[in-house]
Amino acid sequence: KAGVTQTPRYLIKTRGQQVTLSCSPISGHRSVSWYQQTPGQGLQFLFEYFSETQRNKGNFPGRFSGRQFSNSRSEMNVSTLELGDSALYLCASSPGASGRDYYNEQFFGPGTRLTVL
Amino acid sequence: TQLLEQSPQFLSIQEGENLTVYCNSSSVFSSLQWYRQEPGEGPVLLVTVVTGGEVKKLKRLTFQFGDARKDSSLHITAAQPGDTGLYLCAGAQGTYKYIFGTGTRLKVLA
Repeated sequence: KAGVTQTPRYLIKTRGQQVTLSCSPISGHRSVSWYQQTPGQGLQFLFEYFSETQRNKGNFPGRFSGRQFSNSRSEMNVSTLELGDSALYLCASSPGASGRDYYNEQFFGPGTRLTVL
Repeated sequence: TQLLEQSPQFLSIQEGENLTVYCNSSSVFSSLQWYRQEPGEGPVLLVTVVTGGEVKKLKRLTFQFGDARKDSSLHITAAQPGDTGLYLCAGAQGTYKYIFGTGTRLKVLA
């Protein structure tokens, strides 16, 4: 089974620009989560999508948004980039099934390294 | 707000030594995962523990979930240079949202 793919792997932008990152989950997985990883804050949850709907959201400003397509691929958008948005953005794929005793295992992609100048 | 504290933050040991990494919280988690991450790559899932008191072994790695499901530990026996990396624990809040720990950076010297 192919793993989670993220494109692009590296990106350099300037302040004020916007950026779109893409994530293709493992085949059959319907849940995609996005995380931001920085040396100071560690790994922080941005949001999670399941069946094209945002199901969970972290504590990030509205400049961070996402969407999921019918084939489960997901995109994340950051508008009006700030220097502090420089980070490794990670996408995680999971089956997304529900149920009281069910737990979802997450599988991460390699990430997109965003540098804001 | 950081809910999961890992200790130690940094660890540098010689090949063959044993070590334990701790992951502590005041919150109860429905499950807890451990990952290892190498520079420039995404975290790789090592194990998921679900039941309080559960112990899982993965070759030289032993994972334990606390009885109250608030804490966990990772013990590595006879560490090897290939064990070098950033170890992260992640607690599940509900089914779909994970809170990650602060991370433990391990370096094993040959």
